[in-house]
Amino acid sequence: EVQLVQSGAEVKKPGESLKISCKGSGYSFSSYWINWVRQMPGKGLEWMGIIYPGDSDARYSSSFQGQVTISVDKSINTAYLQWSSLKASDTAMYYCARRMVGSSPTAYYFDYWGQGTLVTVSS
Amino acid sequence: SYNLTQPPSVSVSPGQTASITCSGNKLGDKYASWYQQKPGQSPVLVIYQDNKRPSGIPERFSGSNSGNTATLTISGTQAMDEADYYCQAWDSNTASVFGGGTKLTVL
Repeated sequence: EVQLVQSGAEVKKPGESLKISCKGSGYSFSSYWINWVRQMPGKGLEWMGIIYPGDSDARYSSSFQGQVTISVDKSINTAYLQWSSLKASDTAMYYCARRMVGSSPTAYYFDYWGQGTLVTVSS
Repeated sequence: SYNLTQPPSVSVSPGQTASITCSGNKLGDKYASWYQQKPGQSPVLVIYQDNKRPSGIPERFSGSNSGNTATLTISGTQAMDEADYYCQAWDSNTASVFGGGTKLTVL
């Protein structure tokens, strides 16, 4: 059974650093791109970026470039999302999701999602 | 950057057909996916590759994509279908975007 299990909720102060995780199981972790998605309170889904565990190739949405770092440790089937200096506006639910491809080469979609990690940044 | 536009809300009576649109420049040249999200839950894929249903998704969910608009159609809408729905497309192999989301209310 494919699963993406995320780390638990975090409460941090502005300026602190944070790294949250997403552990995959039940499939060949290195072979599927992992994505990170933000959902601010009461708002919609925002695609943040993507990483290929096989070679750690990471790409970012222009909205998040320079604001976060996406990394992976394929030896333990885990992807990460980290901040060096949190802001109150980083308060949100963060999801990881596996990217699958359909019967056409560019028919990408997210077939499995993590349960989400709630990050609260408050002084 | 590429943008997708959805109506903020759609209302439908039980048993009727709900249509949720997603608009983007030449969206028909890309593939659209749709996700359902209920309060407090992770999103769930309901349509991929424009019109394909994953295993376990009821037949009442269907999709189309042509020109500048992708459409999610729910036939015989049930109360359990009340949720937020998001469309998604890819601007390149490594750049994705979601629509703003549509709240479906089953009155």
